[in-house]
Amino acid sequence: SQTIHQWPATLVQPVGSPLSLECTVEGTSNPNLYWYRQAAGRGLQLLFYSVGIGQISSEVPQNLSASRPQDRQFILSSKKLLLSDSGFYLCAWNRGLTGELFFGEGSRLTVL
Amino acid sequence: GQQLNQSPQSMFIQEGEDVSMNCTSSSIFNTWLWYKQDPGEGPVLLIALYKAGELTSNGRLTAQFGITRKDSFLNISASIPSDVGIYFCAGQLGGTGFQKLVFGTGTRLLVSP
Repeated sequence: SQTIHQWPATLVQPVGSPLSLECTVEGTSNPNLYWYRQAAGRGLQLLFYSVGIGQISSEVPQNLSASRPQDRQFILSSKKLLLSDSGFYLCAWNRGLTGELFFGEGSRLTVL
Repeated sequence: GQQLNQSPQSMFIQEGEDVSMNCTSSSIFNTWLWYKQDPGEGPVLLIALYKAGELTSNGRLTAQFGITRKDSFLNISASIPSDVGIYFCAGQLGGTGFQKLVFGTGTRLLVSP
C-alpha cells in the first residue's frame, strides 16, 4: 500500500531563518506531488505541484520554493522566512490523470 | 486560484441530526471528491464520484455527483461527536491532460452530544 510522510510535524522558526520541509511517498512510482498551505480555519491553497523529477510548477508568487530531487521526494524551502509564512503545510500525491489526492499528516510552521 | 463555492460555511448541530452540505461551480467537473479534516491533521478522502448522477454511500455518508456536473452534495445521517471537523469538496476539471484539483472553502461541523 502507498504511504505519504512529511516532517517535521511542528516547527517554530525566527523571521529570516531558512526552512526545509520534506515529504516522501512510498509504495508507488512517478506520483504527482503537491504542496498546500492552510491558514488557521481556512481552505487549502495550492503552492506547488510536480509531475516528475525536476519539474516544478508554482501556483502563487511567494517567498517559498519547491524541489523534487528524487521521484518520490518533494521538498519545500525558503531562504528567509517571513511572519506571513506561518501556517499548516500539507504534502499530497496522486497518480496519473486521476483526481484522488492523498495527503500527508501536515507540518505546522510558526514564524516568530 | 479558483475555488468552489461550498456551503454552509459552518454548522452546529445536535448529535443524531442529519447534515447536508454542498458545492457548486460555474465549470464542469469530471470528478468530485469529499474530504474530512480533523484538527491538526491532513484531510482524509471520504467519497469519490466519477459519473454525473452517481450516488455513493460510505457508512452514514452519502454523496452525489450533480447531473449538470457543476455541483455535488454530501449528507451525513445520524451525526455523532466524532463527525466534528472540516469537510472539503474538491473537483477535477474536465479536459485532456493533467488537471489540478479545485477545493471548496470548507464546511466546519460541530456536533453537540
